[in-house]
Amino acid sequence: EPEVTQTPSHQVTQMGQEVILRCVPISNHLYFYWYRQILGQKVEFLVSFYNNEISEKSEIFDDQFSVERPDGSNFTLKIRSTKLEDSAMYFCASTEGPNTEAFFGQGTRLTVV
Amino acid sequence: AQSVTQPDIHITVSEGASLELRCNYSYGATPYLFWYVQSPGQGLQLLLKYFSGDTLVQGIKGFEAEFKRSQSSFNLRKPSVHWSDAAEYFCAVATGGGNKLTFGTGTQLKVEL
Repeated sequence: EPEVTQTPSHQVTQMGQEVILRCVPISNHLYFYWYRQILGQKVEFLVSFYNNEISEKSEIFDDQFSVERPDGSNFTLKIRSTKLEDSAMYFCASTEGPNTEAFFGQGTRLTVV
Repeated sequence: AQSVTQPDIHITVSEGASLELRCNYSYGATPYLFWYVQSPGQGLQLLLKYFSGDTLVQGIKGFEAEFKRSQSSFNLRKPSVHWSDAAEYFCAVATGGGNKLTFGTGTQLKVEL
């Protein structure tokens, strides 16, 4: 069964450092997403991406965040200068089309120290 | 703005007992509704979805959910719970053409043997 793959599974970084979280969506999917879940809280939408551009972003997704699809398979989330409050589980998801079910990756646990 | 409410933060049931997890949504248009399950340290797995048609939907692992427009609810049920069902359950609504998901705060299910 096709699945969304995320790497790394866990990343520890120092405050102020840049991190790149990587995702390989399901190959025939066209819509890509990043969500985050701070420990003990609900899953929150960060950004959606379609046709090589951001289609929607939340208030959380400020100038410190960026997304990119550098090639035909990867989808990345970059945080330029990490803050302690960026510590969370980050989930990548993809969908085949609008209003279809989202498939989630296993997540990357980011710890900022 | 859309929102999802899961009024029960924690629920404990005995193995073999029936289960109902509540979910209420607020959204102006016809919603697309989902239930996801998250086991500790794992990603989000789709249990079931409602897009249209029959308001009683069947999912994986013996779960079902009923969409009630008049009550703005999408409650998840299982007739007989297994110990392996212990996990956190999230209700979500899809909004916008790009399928952005808004999640509830989750219900933590504990199963007593």
